Amino acid sequence: EAEVAQSPRYKITEKSQAVAFWCDPISGHATLYWYRQILGQGPELLVQFQDESVVDDSQLPKDRFSAERLKGVDSTLKIQPAELGDSAMYLCASSLASGKETQYFGPGTRLLVL
Amino acid sequence: GQQLNQSPQSMFIQEGEDVSMNCTSSSIFNTWLWYKQEPGEGPVLLIALYKAGELTSNGRLTAQFGITRKDSFLNISASIPSDVGIYFCAGHFGNEKLTFGTGTRLTIIP
Repeated sequence: EAEVAQSPRYKITEKSQAVAFWCDPISGHATLYWYRQILGQGPELLVQFQDESVVDDSQLPKDRFSAERLKGVDSTLKIQPAELGDSAMYLCASSLASGKETQYFGPGTRLLVL
Repeated sequence: GQQLNQSPQSMFIQEGEDVSMNCTSSSIFNTWLWYKQEPGEGPVLLIALYKAGELTSNGRLTAQFGITRKDSFLNISASIPSDVGIYFCAGHFGNEKLTFGTGTRLTIIP
């Protein structure tokens, strides 16, 4: 069964350091999403890609967060510099297309900033 | 923005009991999704609903898309230990972003 892959699964870093997360969506899925999930809450969208283009990054803190999907397949989310408040689960999801298509989630990367 | 109220926030039930949870939205949706999340893992899709009034089952799980398009319900019959986790509803309208509820934490008492 096709799955969304994410790495690393866990990351511990010190504040002010740079971190990067990788996501490989389900093959053929044109839309890719990055979410942040704080403990005890539901996921919140950070950025949405349609192929290689960003279609929604309104909730992405652009002073420290960046995301790219250069070839329209896998994607990287970067935080530089990391802050204590960035500790959370970072989830990647993909869907065939935006709108009605159901989103499938990867296992997530749990980030702890010390 | 859109808000999803999910209730109850947590449930403590005995194995074999039925479970009911619901979500209400401040605006209409045309898609409702129910996910289950276990500790340290990503949400796993349980049921997707695309039409008002739709009733869909997945094994012991049944979900309904409310007629008003502002609510959805998830029922689990004859709960078993592996049902433990956090259940999230999520919905969206058109191409708007998916909005998640705050989750219902299900605990099964032995």
